[in-house]
Amino acid sequence: SAVISQKPSRDICQRGTSLTIQCQVDSQVTMMFWYRQQPGQSLTLIATANQGSEATYESGFVIDKFPISRPNLTFSTLTVSNMSPEDSSIYLCSVEVRAGVVSHGYTFGSGTRLTVV
Amino acid sequence: QKEVEQNSGPLSVPEGAIASLNCTYSDRGSQSFFWYRQYSGKSPELIMSIYSNGDKEDGRFTAQLNKASQYVSLLIRDSQPSDSATYLCAAYSGAGSYQLTFGKGTKLSVIP
Repeated sequence: SAVISQKPSRDICQRGTSLTIQCQVDSQVTMMFWYRQQPGQSLTLIATANQGSEATYESGFVIDKFPISRPNLTFSTLTVSNMSPEDSSIYLCSVEVRAGVVSHGYTFGSGTRLTVV
Repeated sequence: QKEVEQNSGPLSVPEGAIASLNCTYSDRGSQSFFWYRQYSGKSPELIMSIYSNGDKEDGRFTAQLNKASQYVSLLIRDSQPSDSATYLCAAYSGAGSYQLTFGKGTKLSVIP
């Protein structure tokens, strides 16, 4: 399955600033997914990033707050903009493992633990 | 609204016992189901997938799926302290929607 390198692994940021999280995959993938995991909660999908097109955002998430880039088939970034303490979460990128039309689940990056102070 | 429900736990079992984790899902169109293990401070790790009704065994893990009841379970035999983690159930709809819907997870503690 794909190996994802995600960085930074953690950061402490001042409110009002922005942080860009990077994910590099060791193989070409069509879609990359960005999730958020708030403390004690499960994973919530932020957006789906396709190469060459605008990311598709889930309800409650907007491009101005979470701009995403997908310049090629192995790399994506998520920016958390104008941060507030409520943005303190773990952010995870993931890719789907597929064999033909059958999904074999998602592989996740190691995560970015963000604390906003 | 697609939902996946799990008991949050914590579920405590003695070492060597069978741990039983349960999950229900709301979307009848869900095709594939996955169990992830997440250690504290780590990202989720896929441990089991199941696509058709019945049981699927892999080592000490058995996944069970009943689509009529919209129910998925994970059994862990001969539980070890290293199995202590949060277990996330996820459902995949496919059919143009490529996202996983996750439950909130069940925290398992295996007591030595």
